[in-house]
Amino acid sequence: KAGVTQTPRYLIKTRGQQVTLSCSPISGHRSVSWYQQTPGQGLQFLFEYFSETQRNKGNFPGRFSGRQFSNSRSEMNVSTLELGDSALYLCASSLVAVAGNEQFFGPGTRLTVL
Amino acid sequence: DQQVKQNSPSLSVQEGRISILNCDYTNSMFDYFLWYKKYPAEGPTFLISISSIKDKNEDGRFTVFLNKSAKHLSLHIVPSQPGDSAVYFCAASGNNDMRFGAGTRLTVKP
Repeated sequence: KAGVTQTPRYLIKTRGQQVTLSCSPISGHRSVSWYQQTPGQGLQFLFEYFSETQRNKGNFPGRFSGRQFSNSRSEMNVSTLELGDSALYLCASSLVAVAGNEQFFGPGTRLTVL
Repeated sequence: DQQVKQNSPSLSVQEGRISILNCDYTNSMFDYFLWYKKYPAEGPTFLISISSIKDKNEDGRFTVFLNKSAKHLSLHIVPSQPGDSAVYFCAASGNNDMRFGAGTRLTVKP
């Protein structure tokens, strides 16, 4: 069974640009969550999608948005990039809801904003 | 708001000894707790979990203890091995929410 895949693995952008990251969950998993990892801050929850609906959202500005398609694949978009958005962005999938269930993580997308 | 806290950013132990990683949470709605392990350049992988109806869960060398009254959980690794060197994240979930701690970097010295 293929794991969670994320593309691209590395990305370099400049301030003010926008970026779209993609995540393909494990086959059959309907929940996809996104996290931002920065040194010292751990994994900060961005949002969770389940059956194409956003179920929960973390404390991030509206520049961070996402969506989920009917095949459970998900995309995350960040507009008007800032230097502080440089981080590892992790996607995780689970069979049903994120709460109370083990999540399977992808390798992440390393975003660098110059 | 940091609802899940891992106050020790790093821990170093000798091979064969016990490693104890700690985690505190503030939200009483959390009822399921997990530990994940992360190696460099990889995503976190699930290690062990515990439901709030239990106070201990064991899986081989790994044991998680939950103290609900103190809103505290800990992960014990016995005996520690060099391959256990990684960043360990504590996570708490409940009410459609999942929160992670900042992580503790464990180094097991041969």
